[in-house]
Amino acid sequence: DTGVSQDPRHKITKRGQNVTFRCDPISEHNRLYWYRQTLGQGPEFLTYFQNEAQLEKSRLLSDRFSAERPKGSFSTLEIQRTEQGDSAMYLCASSSSGTEETQYFGPGTRLLVL
Amino acid sequence: AQSVSQHNHHVILSEAASLELGCNYSYGGTVNLFWYVQYPGQHLQLLLKYFSGDPLVKGIKGFEAEFIKSKFSFNLRKPSVQWSDTAEYFCAAPEEGYQKVTFGIGTKLQVIP
Repeated sequence: DTGVSQDPRHKITKRGQNVTFRCDPISEHNRLYWYRQTLGQGPEFLTYFQNEAQLEKSRLLSDRFSAERPKGSFSTLEIQRTEQGDSAMYLCASSSSGTEETQYFGPGTRLLVL
Repeated sequence: AQSVSQHNHHVILSEAASLELGCNYSYGGTVNLFWYVQYPGQHLQLLLKYFSGDPLVKGIKGFEAEFIKSKFSFNLRKPSVQWSDTAEYFCAAPEEGYQKVTFGIGTKLQVIP
C-alpha cells in the first residue's frame, strides 16, 4: 500500500500523560500536514512541513504540541500533558508541491483522553 | 483567509433521488476547490477537484461539481444516489500557496434503500 499511513490508529490515555503519533507520507511527497478533527466538524489545520522544515503552525497548536519531521520523511506529533479537550481524530496528509497540488489523507489516529 | 461554508449539515435521500450539496467559499483570488468524502469507518478520500479550465468537474462514482465564480459556489451533484453513497462530504479550499486546506463543516448524507 503506497498511501499515507498513521500509527497508532487508536490511543486511550489518562489526562496529564504524553502521547506521540507517527505519520508516514506517500514516499515522493515533500509536504506533510497535520490536522485535527472533532465530532461534527471538518478537519482543522494544525501545522505543515516542507521537507524537514516546519513552515506554518496554527494558533490551535498550543505549547503542549510539538511536531517534527527530522529527515523529511515520516513525522511525529507529540502532545504533552494531555487534556480532555485534546480528544479528537488527528489526521495526517501529504502532497507534492507544484501545480494542481492535492493533499492525500491517512486513516487518522483517534485519541481519547480520560 | 479562506473560509468554506456548507449549508446542508444532514441530508436524507431515498435511493435514485438526485443530490445537490451546497458549498460556498470566500476567497476572491485564484481559487482551487475540492470535495472529499469519508465513508463510514474509512479515511478521507478525494472525490473531485477544480483548479482551472472547465468549471464542470467530473469525479469518481458519478459525482460532479460546478464552479460558479459569480456565486462563489462549488456545489456537488449526483443525478441518482445509491445506498453506498452514504457518507460525510467535505468541501475544501487551499490557501494561496497551499500551506493549508480549509474545510467546511461537512454534510452527512444518508441514503435510504
